[in-house]
Amino acid sequence: KAGVTQTPRYLIKTRGQQVTLSCSPISGHRSVSWYQQTPGQGLQFLFEYFSETQRNKGNFPGRFSGRQFSNSRSEMNVSTLELGDSALYLCASSLDGRLNYGYTFGSGTRLTVV
Amino acid sequence: TQLLEQSPQFLSIQEGENLTVYCNSSSVFSSLQWYRQEPGEGPVLLVTVVTGGEVKKLKRLTFQFGDARKDSSLHITAAQPGDTGLYLCAGASGNQFYFGTGTSLTVIP
Repeated sequence: KAGVTQTPRYLIKTRGQQVTLSCSPISGHRSVSWYQQTPGQGLQFLFEYFSETQRNKGNFPGRFSGRQFSNSRSEMNVSTLELGDSALYLCASSLDGRLNYGYTFGSGTRLTVV
Repeated sequence: TQLLEQSPQFLSIQEGENLTVYCNSSSVFSSLQWYRQEPGEGPVLLVTVVTGGEVKKLKRLTFQFGDARKDSSLHITAAQPGDTGLYLCAGASGNQFYFGTGTSLTVIP
């Protein structure tokens, strides 16, 4: 079966712009989580969506938002980009979000803010 | 402050050597997982341990969950260049999932 697909793979944006990242989970998976990965902070949890509802949220400013559609595809939006938002953004899907079963990750979107 | 601390942070060894990576916390986790991440890719799940004291083996990799479910270790026997990557532990506590600080392993042929 197809894995988790994230688009685009690479993105370069200018400070102040906004960006939308997309994630298509494994077919049948209803939970999608987003993570930010940087060399200094490691993997930081952004938010989790389950059946179109945000179920959990990490400690990120309101500039970071997301949504999930009825087909479980998810988008993440970052507004008013800052240099510090440069990172690898990872999407992870799981069947029902029960944490004991782990995640399947996409390859990520590498965002560079200049 | 990271909930899960891994050590060592970096490890460079020769092919054929053994190594152990540690994942420690002061919090109790209902489950703990290990992932391996290669450059430019997302982490890939290696194993999930659920029961305190549990030991799981995956070929040359041995994973152990501490009795108190606060720590875990990953032991690799006879490391190979293909084992090179970033190893991440991750645990479920409450309704959130936390990743460790990571151990970057390089196996030199």
